Amino acid sequence: EAGVTQFPSHSVIEKGQTVTLRCDPISGHDNLYWYRRVMGKEIKFLLHFVKESKQDESGMPNNRFLAERTGGTYSTLKVQPAELEDSGVYFCASSQDGRVVGTEAFFGQGTRLTVV
Amino acid sequence: LAKTTQPISMDSYEGQEVNITCSHNNIATNDYITWYQQFPSQGPRFIIQGYKTKVTNEVASLFIPADRKSSTLSLPRVSLSDTAVYYCLVGWDTGRRALTFGSGTRLQVQP
Repeated sequence: EAGVTQFPSHSVIEKGQTVTLRCDPISGHDNLYWYRRVMGKEIKFLLHFVKESKQDESGMPNNRFLAERTGGTYSTLKVQPAELEDSGVYFCASSQDGRVVGTEAFFGQGTRLTVV
Repeated sequence: LAKTTQPISMDSYEGQEVNITCSHNNIATNDYITWYQQFPSQGPRFIIQGYKTKVTNEVASLFIPADRKSSTLSLPRVSLSDTAVYYCLVGWDTGRRALTFGSGTRLQVQP
C-alpha cells in the first residue's frame, strides 16, 4: 500500500514567487492534515481537511497560504507570494475516520521549501 | 489541547533499554497519548498509542499511571537505528483531531 506522498521533495524559490506543494494521502483516508516546521521551531499544525471540506484551518499563518482538496483526494498548498519566513519543511499527513479517537496518522516525507 | 513536556535530549548505548518520560498535567478525559518517531529528512512515524495502564507492541511499550498526567515510552534494547527525535503528543479527542507537537526528545544511541 502506498504511503502519503508529497511533491516536490525540495523547492527553492525567490521571495515574491508562488509555490504549490502537493500531497497525495493514503487511498481511502478522509482526513488530511498539513503541518510545517520552520527553522528551529516545533512542528506546527496548519489545517485539517475532512474529505474536501476544511475542518480546521486555525493554524494557517496568513492569507498568503491557500489549501485546497478538490474531490477529496489529493491536496495542494499554495504560498503566494512567498516570504523568507515561509522557509521550512511542510508535512502532510492522513488518517482514517477522524471521529474515532486516537486514530493513527501517517506522514509524508515532507517538502523542504527554501525562499531566497 | 494538553501541553507536553519532555527532556530535550537523551544518550544511550546499543543494547540498553531507554525510557523517555513525558508530562502532560492538563490531559483531558478523552485524550489519548501518542508517541511518534522522526528520523532526519523524514516525516514523523507512529510508534505507539495508549489511554491508560500499559500498551505494548513490537516496537515499544507505553506506561501510563492511573492519574494519566505523565507517560513513559520504553524502547527495549536500542540500536543505532533508533537514533531519532521522539515526540509525545496528547489529544485527538472527538472535538479536535489535529496533533500538537512539542519539541520532542532527541535520542542519540552510541555504539
